[in-house]
Amino acid sequence: AQTVTQSQPEMSVQEAETVTLSCTYDTSESDYYLFWYKQPPSRQMILVIRQEAYKQQNATENRFSVNFQKAAKSFSLKISDSQLGDAAMYFCAYRSPQGGSEKLVFGKGTKLTVNP
Amino acid sequence: NAGVMQNPRHLVRRRGQEARLRCSPMKGHSHVYWYRQLPEEGLKFMVYLQKENIIDESGMPKERFSAEFPKEGPSILRIQQVVRGDSAAYFCASSPGQRNEQYFGPGTRLTVT
Repeated sequence: AQTVTQSQPEMSVQEAETVTLSCTYDTSESDYYLFWYKQPPSRQMILVIRQEAYKQQNATENRFSVNFQKAAKSFSLKISDSQLGDAAMYFCAYRSPQGGSEKLVFGKGTKLTVNP
Repeated sequence: NAGVMQNPRHLVRRRGQEARLRCSPMKGHSHVYWYRQLPEEGLKFMVYLQKENIIDESGMPKERFSAEFPKEGPSILRIQQVVRGDSAAYFCASSPGQRNEQYFGPGTRLTVT
């Protein structure tokens, strides 16, 4: 079974600075999908960024980018120019490529605090 | 285009009562997923449904929990004879098909007293 580990329960960053959130996963599959979700205090789950394992190029969405290291099974999220609105729980998630297996496997999350 | 709707947003039940959580997927989405989030935890998959069919229920507790997604109307997650350990946030997500993004609703927070 796939597992996702987020080793940082909490992180903090100064406004306008850069922060990196760590995520590792365990799988025997060669192709899969990885995601970062943001959960602000409203509890709404918001997709931040996704990465297909067959793509070597790291995904980027505005101030958010990932460092995908397939061999190391690592998928970290970098937030540049941090803003107060980035404060939230961040969850890393894995999804199998197998047809019919649509479930997302989530890590326990990292609480990000942004200091003004 | 309205997002995924869940109601109620908050639900309080006494031990032994039944809880019914509703999820209306986004327009055009025929796939629904239910997840549970315990305090200080990530989301855990419960069940995946398409219209009138349960595709994957590998995360559903064997007893007291059931889910349906009828041809007409919202998907329903039903918890019978609730216990305190059922207190959690229950999230629904929907997608237009397999291999597509899952869009989440705002969740229902269930409190069992």
